[in-house]
Amino acid sequence: AQRVTQPEKLLSVFKGAPVELKCNYSYSGSPELFWYVQYSRQRLQLLLRHISRESIKGFTADLNKGETSFHLKKPFAQEEDSAMYYCALSGRGGDDKIIFGKGTRLHILP
Amino acid sequence: EAQVTQNPRYLITVTGKKLTVTCSQNMNHEYMSWYRQDPGLGLRQIYYSMNVEVTDKGDVPEGYKVSRKEKRNFPLILESPSPNQTSLYFCASSFGGVYNEQFFGPGTRLTVL
Repeated sequence: AQRVTQPEKLLSVFKGAPVELKCNYSYSGSPELFWYVQYSRQRLQLLLRHISRESIKGFTADLNKGETSFHLKKPFAQEEDSAMYYCALSGRGGDDKIIFGKGTRLHILP
Repeated sequence: EAQVTQNPRYLITVTGKKLTVTCSQNMNHEYMSWYRQDPGLGLRQIYYSMNVEVTDKGDVPEGYKVSRKEKRNFPLILESPSPNQTSLYFCASSFGGVYNEQFFGPGTRLTVL
């Protein structure tokens, strides 16, 4: 069964410190992974996806199939990074469902 | 402006009174989907649609219906709402399918008394 686990409900990080939001998944086929972000009073929006292999707002995420992880990283946190982050998974070649993790609230401390 | 709209944004109703939450997108997207967001549970997919007249169940479809008669609209229907359907509901759309970026609506906060 598909599953996405975000072990931290809340992560507090000082401004300028590195950030790592953890995401582990369970999927028997070939996964497609995403990070979505919801800033305060804004709509949920795509931050990045595995297939694009791009860096958005300084964030990167590498798919580690051996550890079944897709952790989100940023070397230097900024106050505007405070938001709710969701990791999500869909399956390539399967149905068009998508599974979201429960989310991690990132709080950047001044 | 390219966007996904939902109506109403807020709704308080009583158990058993049928309601419909509308969702519309102006981006000519094939894929549309409904989610509910609950504290501690994150987003869970209710139903999705790959195109007109094509709908399928997500993870939590019980108690909900959808229809896709036109490409731009994807209403969510609660035939007999119950208190456990009190939640924040989001509609989203994307070009081509779930692998592409989904654009989300502003959300509808539903309270069922």
